[in-house]
Amino acid sequence: GAGVSQSPSNKVTEKGKDVELRCDPISGHTALYWYRQSLGQGLEFLIYFQGNSAPDKSGLPSDRFSAERTGGSVSTLTIQRTQQEDSAVYLCASSLVDGWGKTQYFGPGTRLLVL
Amino acid sequence: QKEVEQNSGPLSVPEGAIASLNCTYSDRGSQSFFWYRQYSGKSPELIMFIYSNGDKEDGRFTAQLNKASQYVSLLIRDSQPSDSATYLCAVNSGANTGNQFYFGTGTSLTVIP
Repeated sequence: GAGVSQSPSNKVTEKGKDVELRCDPISGHTALYWYRQSLGQGLEFLIYFQGNSAPDKSGLPSDRFSAERTGGSVSTLTIQRTQQEDSAVYLCASSLVDGWGKTQYFGPGTRLLVL
Repeated sequence: QKEVEQNSGPLSVPEGAIASLNCTYSDRGSQSFFWYRQYSGKSPELIMFIYSNGDKEDGRFTAQLNKASQYVSLLIRDSQPSDSATYLCAVNSGANTGNQFYFGTGTSLTVIP
């Protein structure tokens, strides 16, 4: 079956512009995560959605970052007034929530470059 | 203090040898533990997960968990050049304490032909 998809695969923008990143999770997966990975670094948790519950936004680095998930499926991560330090790969992952078995499957990522 | 720590490496082993990757975590209540492999420029892919103390084997891979020592490791037997990648350790505290996954910064492995 289809895996997690993300778009765009690459995005170049100018400092101060807004960007939207999209994630389509695996069908039937109720949990969705956004991460950020800077060059040579580990994964930084941003936000987590689970079904109809309030999202866990504790990882969002500033109020310029927001995310929504419509219909329990597609998610959009929005970065307003982008800064050069926002340049990174933004990864989306989805999982079934089956007790402790929260195995995450990652999308290919969106590589964001802020000039 | 970082939630999950790994030696960044690089770790180099000859082809056919055993590669040993280590990870320690700070939250004693952590419940599930994952190893991901990430090739350069690619997204992470799951290798295996472990919940219980002891060893779990899957092909050439063995995960070892010691909750008392807050330590999880990954052994790769008969290492192949195709195993050259960055290996990420991830820890989840379970549904009762939150749903965040904490990832280490990864260990870079090079298998030398």
